[in-house]
Amino acid sequence: GAGVSQSPRYKVAKRGQDVALRCDPISGHVSLFWYQQALGQGPEFLTYFQNEAQLDKSGLPSDRFFAERPEGSVSTLKIQRTQQEDSAVYLCASSFQLSSPLHFGNGTRLTVT
Amino acid sequence: AQSVTQLGSHVSVSEGALVLLRCNYSSSVPPYLFWYVQYPNQGLQLLLKYTTGATLVKGINGFEAEFKKSETSFHLTKPSAHMSDAAEYFCAVSDEGSQGNLIFGKGTKLSVKP
Repeated sequence: GAGVSQSPRYKVAKRGQDVALRCDPISGHVSLFWYQQALGQGPEFLTYFQNEAQLDKSGLPSDRFFAERPEGSVSTLKIQRTQQEDSAVYLCASSFQLSSPLHFGNGTRLTVT
Repeated sequence: AQSVTQLGSHVSVSEGALVLLRCNYSSSVPPYLFWYVQYPNQGLQLLLKYTTGATLVKGINGFEAEFKKSETSFHLTKPSAHMSDAAEYFCAVSDEGSQGNLIFGKGTKLSVKP
């Protein structure tokens, strides 16, 4: 596809469940970012990959959050034992290289009940 | 640490009127500055950016912004608002050399009245 694709678009999870959110970046894009956007807030950085290497995970809010990009293309953000405060839109973005502009996906809206 | 402040969480203008969305930043190093637009249930789209060079930056859809180092500001303007401009606008800052690890403001929702 032409853009960054995220799935699912919407996810409802019961508190305590594990979830996995997928991001398909633009083909050939080396850099991949995950952001969390709470309701009424701006996006907040979670983690960054360059190819398959996770170079910065300083924004992950707890050890329940885990991200991977094993082959340097598709990335998965996993949240274990979801809590209500995890409810947010999770945005994925990719770029050709770190100094290039970001292209954002439409996000996955996670609701934890 | 870098931070971004957007004055006004909600701005309302009439169609055809001037749009002014304010953004101030703090950064200890020369920053890169960005404005993104977000339509409902969509991701963010880059409107314009300042990296180096000319301080008046023109972007898509008739928007422009001016980097004023002395005022640590990067306000977004458009001479004449259109109904299709109604959206949420985010100002962001990053370290020099990176356009990826962005610090965003809380956003300003722009409403356009007919």
